[in-house]
Amino acid sequence: QKEVEQNSGPLSVPEGAIASLNCTYSDRGSQSFFWYRQYSGKSPELIMFIYSNGDKEDGRFTAQLNKASQYVSLLIRDSQPSDSATYLCALSTNTGNQFYFGTGTSLTVIP
Amino acid sequence: EPEVTQTPSHQVTQMGQEVILRCVPISNHLYFYWYRQILGQKVEFLVSFYNNEISEKSEIFDDQFSVERPDGSNFTLKIRSTKLEDSAMYFCASSGEGDKPQHFGDGTRLSIL
Repeated sequence: QKEVEQNSGPLSVPEGAIASLNCTYSDRGSQSFFWYRQYSGKSPELIMFIYSNGDKEDGRFTAQLNKASQYVSLLIRDSQPSDSATYLCALSTNTGNQFYFGTGTSLTVIP
Repeated sequence: EPEVTQTPSHQVTQMGQEVILRCVPISNHLYFYWYRQILGQKVEFLVSFYNNEISEKSEIFDDQFSVERPDGSNFTLKIRSTKLEDSAMYFCASSGEGDKPQHFGDGTRLSIL
């Protein structure tokens, strides 16, 4: 069983602050890591993906991967109320034939 | 921007009936997936499909379920003899390569009565 663990939250941050979302996983064979955003009643929307150890930045978002410690995180700088959503961590193994999702972390950005 | 489209957006069916959920993946994508999300729960993998055959399936994807790519554009999920617990949001996704980002459709909300 490939577990993907996320703190369900809710996580509340004030507008303009940095939101930090964390995810740990159990399978060391995991190769590719993804962060999706899901608004209530909507489908998952890709935010970031990362394959190598280290940081990857895209606008206000930074994904961090540490395969030795088996965690991946997402930082959201200058958080906006529109960032309020559930953030899903997902990974795939070397076959790439399926994604394993965490339960998601609910983020609320307070104006 | 290309997108995955799913129809219908909402399907209401009597228990025991068969349903077919339809998806049109992004046109140049080769890998196709079905997921489900029961209300308030996590997204769960059902099946992946590549080169006209199932690549991988989860324990959820039992004999009640089947997938098909009947033509060059559609990808369908059939659920035979539906049960109350099949009520969920069903998402189709596609990707250009196996371990690359998957792009999700808007989902079909399936309600079994």
